[in-house]
Amino acid sequence: DIQMTQSPSTLSASVGDRVTITCRASQSISRWLAWYQHKPGKAPNLLIYQASSLESGVPSRFSGSGSGTEFTLTISSLQPDDFATYYCQQYNTYPLCSFGQGTKLEIK
Amino acid sequence: EVQLLESGGGLVQPGESLRLSCAASGFTFRSYAMSWVRQAPGKGLEWVSAISDNGGYTFYADSVKGRFTISRDNSMNTLYLQMNSLRVEDTAVYYCTKAVGSCSNGVCYKYFEYWGQGTLVTVSS
Repeated sequence: DIQMTQSPSTLSASVGDRVTITCRASQSISRWLAWYQHKPGKAPNLLIYQASSLESGVPSRFSGSGSGTEFTLTISSLQPDDFATYYCQQYNTYPLCSFGQGTKLEIK
Repeated sequence: EVQLLESGGGLVQPGESLRLSCAASGFTFRSYAMSWVRQAPGKGLEWVSAISDNGGYTFYADSVKGRFTISRDNSMNTLYLQMNSLRVEDTAVYYCTKAVGSCSNGVCYKYFEYWGQGTLVTVSS
C-alpha cells in the first residue's frame, strides 16, 4: 500500500500570507495526485488534480507542484475562506487510493 | 448542477446492518465510476469502496472487504453501500463521490471530482 504523509499537521497563518503544504508518497506515484479542501459539515472540494492542474472554478491563488514522491500545495495569499483542512490523495493505484492525514490551516 | 445526496445513515449496534444510498443528478450517472469515502470522528479521509460505470467491477478496502457490498442502479441514478457485521470502528461520515480521470491500456487514474455532503453512521452498543 502507498502511504501518504502530509506536513505540517497544523499550520497557523494570517490573511495575506503565502503558505505551503507538503505531501510525500512512500513510493513514486508519478503525477497522480489530487488536493482537496474540507470544511466541517461540508463536502470536500477538489482543488488540484494531476499534481498541478487547477480544477475549474478554483481561485488561481491555489497551485500545486511536484512529481514522483514529493508534492506541494501553495496558497499565494490566504483569504478568510481558505481556513480549512487540506488533504492530498494519490490515485496512482486507482481504485485503491489513499489520502494524507490532513493539514489543518488555522487563523493565527 | 451535479448533486450527490447520501441517505441511510443512523445509529446501530455492533453486528447489525445498514444500507446507504446516494442519489445522483446533474450528470450521466451510468457513464461514471463511483466511490465511497469515509471520515471517522477526528480522523482523516479513508477510501472504502469503488464500482465501475456499469457495475461490473467492484473494489474494497481491506478494512471492509467481506462485510460491505457496493452496488448501483443506473436506471435509478443511485449508488448503494450495504454494510453488514458493523463494528464500532466503522463509525464515520460516509461520502459518495463521482470519479473522473483517464484510462490507458486498461489502467485508469481517477480522482474525486464531486462529493456528497455525507451521511453519519454510528455503531455503538
